[in-house]
Order: sequence, then C-alpha cells, then structure tokens
Amino acid sequence: AQTVTQSQPEMSVQEAETVTLSCTYDTSENNYYLFWYKQPPSRQMILVIRQEAYKQQNATENRFSVNFQKAAKSFSLKISDSQLGDTAMYFCAFMKLWGAQKLVFGQGTRLTINP
Amino acid sequence: SQTIHQWPATLVQPVGSPLSLECTVEGTSNPNLYWYRQAAGRGLQLLFYSVGIGQISSEVPQNLSASRPQDRQFILSSKKLLLSDSGFYLCAWSQTGTSGTGQYFGPGTRLTVL
Repeated sequence: AQTVTQSQPEMSVQEAETVTLSCTYDTSENNYYLFWYKQPPSRQMILVIRQEAYKQQNATENRFSVNFQKAAKSFSLKISDSQLGDTAMYFCAFMKLWGAQKLVFGQGTRLTINP
Repeated sequence: SQTIHQWPATLVQPVGSPLSLECTVEGTSNPNLYWYRQAAGRGLQLLFYSVGIGQISSEVPQNLSASRPQDRQFILSSKKLLLSDSGFYLCAWSQTGTSGTGQYFGPGTRLTVL
C-alpha cells in the first residue's frame, strides 16, 4: 500500500518570502501521479499543482513549483513570493496510474503567512 | 466547465437521527465519485468511492452507507448517527481513465452530532 508523509505539521513565514513544504511517499509503482492540494480556512480543497511521475520536468504553476525526486520518492512544494492568501493547510497526495483514481493523502502542513 | 455541489452546508443532528448528504456533479458524464471525512485539523479519510451507477466501494467499516442512484449523484447516509460521526464531509469527483487529472472537491458539509 502507498503511504504519504508530510514531516512538517506547521510552518510560518513572512509575506514575500519563499517557503518549501516537504513530502515523501512510499510506493512500488513505477508510474503514478502526485498532487498538492490547498485547504484555506473556508475548508474548500483546491488543486494547486500536479506532477506525472514519468515526466522528469518539474511542474510549475505561477508562484508554485515542485521539486520531484523520483529515486528519493520526494515531492516538495515551493511557494515563491508568498502572499497572505497562501495561508492554508497543504496536503500532498499520491494517485496510482490505474484503477479508481483514488488519492492517498498526507496529514498536511499548516502554513501561515505573516504580514 | 464542471461544477460539484454539496448540501447542506451545515447540519446539526441529534444522536440516533438519520442522515442524508447529497452531492451532484455537473458538466461531465460517468465520473468517479468519492466521499471523505475530515476531523478538525486532520487529514482526509476516504469513506466510499464509486466508479459507476450502483457501484459502491467502502474503505472503512462504519455507521455510514453510500448510494449512487444516478450517474452524477452521490449520497451519504446513516440510519442512526453517533457522536463520532461529527466532522467535515467532502465529496469529490474525478475523470475515469488514466489521465490523472486529480480529484475536484465540493465545498463540504459540516456535521455536528449532539
């Protein structure tokens, strides 16, 4: 079975700083997908960024980018020029290539951006 | 574009009462559907998922059940609520196949059992 681990329960940075959230996972699959989701205080889950394991190039979405290290089974999220609206819980998630498209979530990192 | 609706947004129910939470998806056909529960400040626990009408898979034995009476409708039910059923319930959908586009979540229902 797959597991996802987020080792940082909480993080706090100043506005405009860059912050990196860590995620490691365990799987015997060779092809899969990885995701970062954001859950602001409204508790709506928002898909932030997606990575396909068979692509070596790291995904980027505006201020959000990932560092995907397949051999190390590591998938960190970097937020550049952080904004107050980035304050949220961030969840790392794993999805197998085949099947019912189920997600395996980490326990989350609570990120606070301070003014 | 696709949208996902959940209702009610908030619900307060007494112990022993029945429950029915509804989720509908618009703008797509034959989606995979999911029900999650989230305790305060915690991660998401997958409760049920469905890959088609009438096809329900349970991830965790519990006091809850799910049904999919129509292609884009997913219902979470209980005959008698327990205090431990309190939490935040999220419905999600994904495309079938191997595109790996991820799951898209509804706004959630906050359930308090007293």
